[in-house]
Amino acid sequence: AQKVTQAQTEISVVEKEDVTLDCVYETRDTTYYLFWYKQPPSGELVFLIRRNSFDEQNEISGRYSWNFQKSTSSFNFTITASQVVDSAVYFCALSEFSGNTGKLIFGQGTTLQVKP
Amino acid sequence: DSGVTQTPKHLITATGQRVTLRCSPRSGDLSVYWYQQSLDQGLQFLIQYYNGEERAKGNILERFSAQQFPDLHSELNLSSLELGDSALYFCASSLQQDTQYFGPGTRLTVL
Repeated sequence: AQKVTQAQTEISVVEKEDVTLDCVYETRDTTYYLFWYKQPPSGELVFLIRRNSFDEQNEISGRYSWNFQKSTSSFNFTITASQVVDSAVYFCALSEFSGNTGKLIFGQGTTLQVKP
Repeated sequence: DSGVTQTPKHLITATGQRVTLRCSPRSGDLSVYWYQQSLDQGLQFLIQYYNGEERAKGNILERFSAQQFPDLHSELNLSSLELGDSALYFCASSLQQDTQYFGPGTRLTVL
């Protein structure tokens, strides 16, 4: 069965701290995509990154970095030197290639609060 | 701005009523997805259309239906509304099975 687990419900840090958001997924497919989305207090869902199952290279984009490890079925997200504007709910999601649909299976989300 | 538009932004209605949510995908995208976000269920996939045809169904109630029109915009119809249908409804679009870009959502409140 497809499943995404974000075990951390809420995280609170002080500005400039580094923080890692965990994501563990389950799938029987060998080909799939993993995503992270950000939902700020305004409510929209903002795309951050997509990774396909064949590409285990870590990625860095500014203060954001992602660590994909197939061996542990994890796709963790690290924010370096966090800022107040990073406060949001972050969702990890899985999309399988089989079934000819790109529907997303979301985790429950992690609420990140960055305090000044 | 993702390029996906949704109207209305807010909708307040009564139990038993019927409402229609509208979504316009990004230019060039053929797939439209509908998701429901509620406190107890989280973000759940409802239904997908691809170039006018239904492609996949998720946890969509029989009281709910959707369609995608020739100009690729989509509508989600919710009928016989119940208090539990109060949620944030998102539309997303993608070219095929790739990255989905989400609209701003429609917040539905059923009183």
